[in-house]
Amino acid sequence: DQQVKQNSPSLSVQEGRISILNCDYTNSMFDYFLWYKKYPAEGPTFLISISSIKDKNEDGRFTVFLNKSAKHLSLHIVPSQPGDSAVYFCAASARGGTSYGKLTFGQGTILTVHP
Amino acid sequence: DAGITQSPRHKVTETGTPVTLRCHQTENHRYMYWYRQDPGHGLRLIHYSYGVKDTDKGEVSDGYSVSRSKTEDFLLTLESATSSQTSVYFCAISARGGSTDTQYFGPGTRLTVL
Repeated sequence: DQQVKQNSPSLSVQEGRISILNCDYTNSMFDYFLWYKKYPAEGPTFLISISSIKDKNEDGRFTVFLNKSAKHLSLHIVPSQPGDSAVYFCAASARGGTSYGKLTFGQGTILTVHP
Repeated sequence: DAGITQSPRHKVTETGTPVTLRCHQTENHRYMYWYRQDPGHGLRLIHYSYGVKDTDKGEVSDGYSVSRSKTEDFLLTLESATSSQTSVYFCAISARGGSTDTQYFGPGTRLTVL
């Protein structure tokens, strides 16, 4: 049972345009959401996060939107750059005293930004 | 960058042999995690630790054990490796372990079981 889903395995975008990566979740206990970026042969790198009390969080070129009623979040990258080409993972964690911050990840989306 | 190292970075082993992967951190963080990454599954939690000698199972713990005798080291052991354990293994750390605490990842270990 995949509680966090990224339904687009890949996305191709032209440099300078917007990249939109999507993520859906099913567990209503999730209260914190993160995006990680991963280059080949490296570990995932934290990109941006959002708490369930917010519907938007922005950091430079990266903005994450959360729609709790639809259990959907998205990552917008504007403008996209060739260096943004990587695998992007959506992750979620649930509230609860013994959760210890366990993350549930989506399958990842490969973003390719063409010059 | 968080001070996390993993060793070895690459390993090829044979079915039935024991394998131990090491995660070492210099951040003095209390919480440590082991994940595996496989195509189509993203990263899945194997085991985690919430302090020295305090560990618990994640969602894919069968065939794996862990130990944490020091704050800085978290070991993952495959008692008898199988081909289904061929994967990339990532260690992660976090300071507080709460649901809003960011986890930082090591560079990974690529394990091949023949």
